[in-house]
Amino acid sequence: AQSVAQPEDQVNVAEGNPLTVKCTYSVSGNPYLFWYVQYPNRGLQFLLKYITGDNLVKGSYGFEAEFNKSQTSFHLKKPSALVSDSALYFCAVTYNNNDMRFGAGTRLTVKP
Amino acid sequence: GAGVSQSPRYKVAKRGQDVALRCDPISGHVSLFWYQQALGQGPEFLTYFQNEAQLDKSGLPSDRFFAERPEGSVSTLKIQRTQQEDSAVYLCASSLVMGSYEQYFGPGTRLTVT
Repeated sequence: AQSVAQPEDQVNVAEGNPLTVKCTYSVSGNPYLFWYVQYPNRGLQFLLKYITGDNLVKGSYGFEAEFNKSQTSFHLKKPSALVSDSALYFCAVTYNNNDMRFGAGTRLTVKP
Repeated sequence: GAGVSQSPRYKVAKRGQDVALRCDPISGHVSLFWYQQALGQGPEFLTYFQNEAQLDKSGLPSDRFFAERPEGSVSTLKIQRTQQEDSAVYLCASSLVMGSYEQYFGPGTRLTVT
């Protein structure tokens, strides 16, 4: 069955430093990969997606992610973290936009 | 434009009661999804509609869960004879069409079964 793993429950970075939130997927075939962010008491917000093409995708709020087929990874990155980036981040995978599988989430804390 | 809305935002039900959760998707979005998010976990897929057709209900945890979208717009998730393990946030999402399009999520309904 398709699934994603987010190996880190918590990531802490200092403001201004680069951040990485890790995601690996376990599927066969060609996955569609997504990153969402969840702020307290709010719904999930779409950040970016990889469907096909360039392995480096850019999304909202300066985030980007790199699709690595050989490592089955789709890590989320940002060159310079902001305190306002502190939130819960979810990686998700699907084939057909029907049965989307989410990771357990990674809580990012950016300290001033 | 308006996003996905859900009501109520919070629901407390006594064990054994029936509840109905409503989702208003973004206007024109063909696909509608329901997810269950337990505390500290990622969303778990429940069911999916394309217009009024329920194409996948493989994630519904039991026959106490029922979802409908009779006119291809608003959807209702109904839980009969609620149990404590049903306590979770129920998320609704919509997307433009099938395929590789991102889903837009509502704020969720937090259900607490006492």
